[in-house]
Amino acid sequence: QQQVKQSPQSLIVQKGGISIINCAYENTAFDYFPWYQQFPGKGPALLIAIRPDVSEKKEGRFTISFNKSAKQFSLHIMDSQPGDSATYFCAASNYQLIWGAGTKLIIKP
Amino acid sequence: NAGVTQTPKFQVLKTGQSMTLQCAQDMNHEYMSWYRQDPGMGLRLIHYSVGAGITDQGEVPNGYNVSRSTTEDFPLRLLSAAPSQTSVYFCASSLTSGRGETQYFGPGTRLLVL
Repeated sequence: QQQVKQSPQSLIVQKGGISIINCAYENTAFDYFPWYQQFPGKGPALLIAIRPDVSEKKEGRFTISFNKSAKQFSLHIMDSQPGDSATYFCAASNYQLIWGAGTKLIIKP
Repeated sequence: NAGVTQTPKFQVLKTGQSMTLQCAQDMNHEYMSWYRQDPGMGLRLIHYSVGAGITDQGEVPNGYNVSRSTTEDFPLRLLSAAPSQTSVYFCASSLTSGRGETQYFGPGTRLLVL
């Protein structure tokens, strides 16, 4: 019940395309859903986060979509750029952060 | 602010050796934690601390010890290294342990146990 399942494991997108990463959870007590971005050789850094009282949050080219009834949330990267190439982690929290396994995103120029 | 710093950046150990991974933060954060990152497994919590003098176990604590004598420092000790402990270790901190707090990560320590 504490798991967060993230897919896909890896993703290749053409420059300018839309990158979509999905996460699913089981514990309905989770009330905070962040996405972290990690570049090679660096630690993860918070990208964007959402709470379950809203269905969507947008920051620039990055959007979180949240479906409470389906217990799913996703990250959309619009107009994907080579600089977006990184590993993305979703997480969920009600006390401790529970992390997804990560998605390695490659944006092809 | 230096943020969260970790030393060393890279370390090679032989099986059975012990070592301490250092972590420090200069943001006056109450909450600090240690994660290990392995391919395909995301980040797994080893130990965490909600303040000086208070530590607790995470998901994978076996083989590791921690202490928190000051707000700034949170060292992770490997008691007797095993090849299964080959991983990248990240220290993180947040202002409090409350829900929704942003975690700030250090640059990581890559550990290879032979």
